[in-house]
Amino acid sequence: GESVGLHLPTLSVQEGDNSIINCAYSNSASDYFIWYKQESGKGPQFIIDIRSNMDKRQGQRVTVLLNKTVKHLSLQIAATQPGDSAVYFCAEKDPGGTSYGKLTFGQGTILTVHP
Amino acid sequence: DAGVIQSPRHEVTEMGQEVTLRCKPISGHNSLFWYRQTMMRGLELLIYFNNNVPIDDSGMPEDRFSAKMPNASFSTLKIQPSEPRDSAVYFCASRFLVPTTDTQYFGPGTRLTVL
Repeated sequence: GESVGLHLPTLSVQEGDNSIINCAYSNSASDYFIWYKQESGKGPQFIIDIRSNMDKRQGQRVTVLLNKTVKHLSLQIAATQPGDSAVYFCAEKDPGGTSYGKLTFGQGTILTVHP
Repeated sequence: DAGVIQSPRHEVTEMGQEVTLRCKPISGHNSLFWYRQTMMRGLELLIYFNNNVPIDDSGMPEDRFSAKMPNASFSTLKIQPSEPRDSAVYFCASRFLVPTTDTQYFGPGTRLTVL
């Protein structure tokens, strides 16, 4: 029979467009956030991170925005390329003393870039 | 830098058999994590080691699962006996635990199929 799994949000864009992937996090005490990219058949790959004392951080073609008021994180990819097609995960770190920096991952967003 | 190394990359076994997954963390990293990824549940943390000592194994599903880290450069995750519901991709990740960084680096994963 058909299995039931997570229904991941999807985003389809044209090559060259800018992409914005959103993430809502749950713990207002989280002090560190990270975005990972996972291509088919591979492990999650670090893209960019941000600490809670910042609201914006830029990398190469990527920008992460943090809005602590509404507990929202976004990843912006400029001039999206077919090679950017992947599942993107956000993760938050609980700063609690016993949590040792445990990361809690979101369910992921599927990004498809059309040539 | 070779990154996190996992073996085997693929494992197919029959129900009831013992399965051993292996991980070599990035040299110099002192924290190691085992994760499981399925369509049903996404990315789940199974166990975390710091300086070769298991700190949190609350994510280990049941007694059939065990993990060891005999030294800083090697860890195993064992399933005995294996069951079809253990079929998943298992990832190992490592990190250098310092206050200034929380980034975990993932291996390529082991795809386990239990028939």
